[in-house]
Amino acid sequence: KAGVTQTPRYLIKTRGQQVTLSCSPISGHRSVSWYQQTPGQGLQFLFEYFSETQRNKGNFPGRFSGRQFSNSRSEMNVSTLELGDSALYLCASSLEGGSNTGELFFGEGSRLTVL
Amino acid sequence: AQSVSQHNHHVILSEAASLELGCNYSYGGTVNLFWYVQYPGQHLQLLLKYFSGDPLVKGIKGFEAEFIKSKFSFNLRKPSVQWSDTAEYFCAVSTYSSASKIIFGSGTRLSIRP
Repeated sequence: KAGVTQTPRYLIKTRGQQVTLSCSPISGHRSVSWYQQTPGQGLQFLFEYFSETQRNKGNFPGRFSGRQFSNSRSEMNVSTLELGDSALYLCASSLEGGSNTGELFFGEGSRLTVL
Repeated sequence: AQSVSQHNHHVILSEAASLELGCNYSYGGTVNLFWYVQYPGQHLQLLLKYFSGDPLVKGIKGFEAEFIKSKFSFNLRKPSVQWSDTAEYFCAVSTYSSASKIIFGSGTRLSIRP
């Protein structure tokens, strides 16, 4: 079956702009988590959605937001971009939330560069 | 809130050497523990997990990890590494009360000299 699909794979934005990233989970998976990956910081948890509801949220400012649709696809939005937002944004899906199955399935990520 | 520490940022070993990567977490309650691996050019994938029971967990490719509750540790081990083990390794934790919030450490880059 198809894996987790993230679009776009690469994008370049300038400071002050906003960006929307998309994630299509594995068919049947209802939980989608988002992470920010930067060198030296590892993966920082952004938020997790299940059945269109945000169940968990990390320690990121309100400029970072997300949502999940009825088909489990998810989007995350970053407004008023800052240079420090340059990172690889990873989406991961699981059946009901990682711990229940023990496994998050990751996409290849969307690499955002802010100039 | 839970957190994860991986003290080794970059480990360099020769083939056939033994491996131990450290992972410590901070949380006083029941935890679920994971190791994920990211091979060059590939996406993250699960190596092994611990939920309960035997604290010695075996994963894919000959890796194992031991949960020591008193030390808040979940170190990853492999008796004899191969060049193909070159990758970045991430320890992760979630709690019973917030099971779907999985927190990752900063990762350890493992380089194997052929």
